[in-house]
Amino acid sequence: QVHLQESGPGLVKPSETLSLTCTVSGGSVSTYYWNWIRQPPGKGLEWIGNMYYSGNTKYNPSLKSRVTISVDMSRNQVSLNLNSVTAADTAVYFCAGSGARPRFDPWGQGILVTVSS
Amino acid sequence: QSALTQPASVSGSPGQSITISCTGTSSDVGAYNYVSWYQQLPGQAPKLLIFDVRNRPSGVSDRFSGSQSGNTASLAISGLQAEDEADYYCSSYTTSNTVVFGGGTKLTVL
Repeated sequence: QVHLQESGPGLVKPSETLSLTCTVSGGSVSTYYWNWIRQPPGKGLEWIGNMYYSGNTKYNPSLKSRVTISVDMSRNQVSLNLNSVTAADTAVYFCAGSGARPRFDPWGQGILVTVSS
Repeated sequence: QSALTQPASVSGSPGQSITISCTGTSSDVGAYNYVSWYQQLPGQAPKLLIFDVRNRPSGVSDRFSGSQSGNTASLAISGLQAEDEADYYCSSYTTSNTVVFGGGTKLTVL
């Protein structure tokens, strides 16, 4: 059974870069499309983007200019970089696997990232 | 891309049935049969309930069912139980090869 674990700083300063890692265990990163999804406190889900291990990526148009998703096959990890963050980027960030079509399963437990000085 | 439209809240008594709607456009919900539904309990990650409009993953109760008509998808829950109280989200693939979620619906079991 595939298990996902997000990790990274819980606090990021405004204008800096948010960097998170999702470690995949019990399976290979080549098995799924890897998605990042976020949820601001008390609000709904927002799809950030995804990547297939071959290098194909797709991003939410509203975040595209600030987002990079990458896969490290040697470490079985998926990474998210979001630059020029503001308080509006404060959220729980989830990584989730899917097929070519958006059927998100499995999910990581999520990590809260707060943007504040 | 705009979020799909869901009612903010629905409620029902134990044993009753409820339906949650998810309205999009011809560029997302109406374009494909790729609507999924998720259940999110407080403090937890979402759980996949329905994929490709009406299919249930292994282990999901058959009290949950999905359907779609045009640009609107629906999640039905029959035989409501206290444990069904949660937030429910729909999502859809789009013609831009991206994904859009609904705003979420809070289900209260009275």
